[in-house]
Amino acid sequence: GQQLNQSPQSMFIQEGEDVSMNCTSSSIFNTWLWYKQDPGEGPVLLIALYKAGELTSNGRLTAQFGITRKDSFLNISASIPSDVGIYFCAGQGSQGAQKLVFGQGTRLTINP
Amino acid sequence: DTEVTQTPKHLVMGMTNKKSLKCEQHMGHRAMYWYKQKAKKPPELMFVYSYEKLSINESVPSRFSPECPNSSLLNLHLHALQPEDSALYLCASSHLHKKGNTEAFFGQGTRLTVV
Repeated sequence: GQQLNQSPQSMFIQEGEDVSMNCTSSSIFNTWLWYKQDPGEGPVLLIALYKAGELTSNGRLTAQFGITRKDSFLNISASIPSDVGIYFCAGQGSQGAQKLVFGQGTRLTINP
Repeated sequence: DTEVTQTPKHLVMGMTNKKSLKCEQHMGHRAMYWYKQKAKKPPELMFVYSYEKLSINESVPSRFSPECPNSSLLNLHLHALQPEDSALYLCASSHLHKKGNTEAFFGQGTRLTVV
């Protein structure tokens, strides 16, 4: 089946630094979504991408749908303590509608 | 309103108990989902309902029984669970598009512990 490779698995940064994480797939995806999950809570949708090459921002967050449709990245600028959490990419490919495939997650830790 | 509400937030049940998880959304979404998430892992799809009909069952054991009474509600009935079924159970919903684009919104989850 379709799989997503998300990297890095974890990041330890200083407050104020920029962050970049990405997801790649061996197959084409029609939709890329980025979620943030805090401990004991459900994932919260950050950014949705629907077109190859699309670049979308949400405050300090920017995400892009790769031109090959096989990858996506998420950037966070000027990180703050509340950015701590686990970030998941999720994609929906050609193998059936409504079937989201999740990456393994990137755990972000910020040192004040 | 982009809220998906799940109840209860926490549930402890014995292996002989019968319990139900509930999920509600009022965004007019016609697709609803159940996911299971183990610690430090991504959510794993269990079931998908489209227009109140079960459209995807990811080979989930029959001790998990989903139900979609109407377009706003989704239940997950639990019976004779095992300790390894302990996890965070997440409900999600989305619009249905021709191209199948799935911008899913998640609830806060039910933390289930089977003893």
